Amino acid sequence: GQNIDQPTEMTATEGAIVQINCTYQTSGFNGLFWYQQHAGEAPTFLSYNVLDGLEEKGRFSSFLSRSKGYSYLLLKELQMKDSASYLCAVRDGQGSWGKLQFGAGTQVVVTP
Amino acid sequence: DVKVTQSSRYLVKRTGEKVFLECVQDMDHENMFWYRQDPGLGLRLIYFSYDVKMKEKGDIPEGYSVSREKKERFSLILESASTNQTSMYLCASGRTSSNQPQHFGDGTRLSIL
Repeated sequence: GQNIDQPTEMTATEGAIVQINCTYQTSGFNGLFWYQQHAGEAPTFLSYNVLDGLEEKGRFSSFLSRSKGYSYLLLKELQMKDSASYLCAVRDGQGSWGKLQFGAGTQVVVTP
Repeated sequence: DVKVTQSSRYLVKRTGEKVFLECVQDMDHENMFWYRQDPGLGLRLIYFSYDVKMKEKGDIPEGYSVSREKKERFSLILESASTNQTSMYLCASGRTSSNQPQHFGDGTRLSIL
């Protein structure tokens, strides 16, 4: 079966760093995506990893270890606008037509 | 910029009604998806379509059907709405290429009374 786990909520202070972990057990693997979703809005794409290692995009970085079934999203220099839900999603590899399996999301609360 | 448009942001219907949710994308994507999003459960795939008139069941298809008569439009149908179908419904589109993300609409918050 498919199982994607991430923490429910994390709180951090403005200017700090937060790391959101995601572990997965899926029947295949063809890439991992991170999305950001503000309350009442559409999820928006943040990052994609398919090979092991770190991908950096400005204040956001994402890491993948396929052998461990593990990824994290690192948010640096936190800003109030980073308060949102962060969704981890795995694309399985079995004729999936781009299908994604989503975790339940991690609510990040940034405090002043 | 990819635009995925859902016909309604908020919708209130009664138990037993037939409900149509419409989604249109403007990027000529092959694949379109319908999800529902519930607190603590994340996004769950209801149905998806990889081509016109083609559809595949997702993880929770019971009580739903879909229609894709044109490439840009994907409709979700609740055949006989029930209160447990009260939820946020999200439409997405994307290409089959593995590194391409899905793009989401703003969602329809559906309440079944």
